[in-house]
Amino acid sequence: GDSVTQTEGQVTVSESKSLIINCTYSATSIGYPNLFWYVRYPGEGLQLLLKVITAGQKGSSRGFEATYNKEATSFHLQKASVQESDSAVYYCALASNMGYKLTFGTGTSLLVDP
Amino acid sequence: NAGVIQTPRHKVTGKGQEATLWCEPISGHSAVFWYRQTIVQGLEFLTYFRNQAPIDDSGMPKERFSAQMPNQSHSTLKIQSTQPQDSAVYLCASSRDSNSDYTFGSGTRLLVI
Repeated sequence: GDSVTQTEGQVTVSESKSLIINCTYSATSIGYPNLFWYVRYPGEGLQLLLKVITAGQKGSSRGFEATYNKEATSFHLQKASVQESDSAVYYCALASNMGYKLTFGTGTSLLVDP
Repeated sequence: NAGVIQTPRHKVTGKGQEATLWCEPISGHSAVFWYRQTIVQGLEFLTYFRNQAPIDDSGMPKERFSAQMPNQSHSTLKIQSTQPQDSAVYLCASSRDSNSDYTFGSGTRLLVI
């Protein structure tokens, strides 16, 4: 079946420093899956941060970027300069086959030190 | 737009009791999804309704779990004879159609003691 791997369970970054959260995926369906990053801020529900549905394209939102790399089957999340308000749990996800079912990674908890 | 509403936010049940979780999707959204989140398994798909009809329940445990959508304004997830391993956060989401972006509710945290 489909799977998403996030290798870092927790990341601590100082404010204004750069960030990369790794995500790799494996999809069993024919064709390329849609890729997503979701975020859960403290006390809030899970919300879509960005998505990319075309291999090779880049998605961006709130200063975050992620590039759909079909050769490496990766979709790493990056930000050039993090802020304390970025502290949250970030989930990588994919949707393949019918397109409606999301397969999530285990999540990466980001703590930004002020 | 109040978003996807899930009730209750927290529920504690004794082992063997029944638990019913409620979800009110966003008005006009035809697709409703249920997911479960545990520390061990992470976020898992449970089931999907489109226009109130069950489309995919491949993630539902074969026993004790059932989901319904009797009308377009709410869906329920029922767990019979709850067990400690059913303890989890149950998330409901809706979307305009099956290919649109989800909006998740805040979840129901179920604790079975």
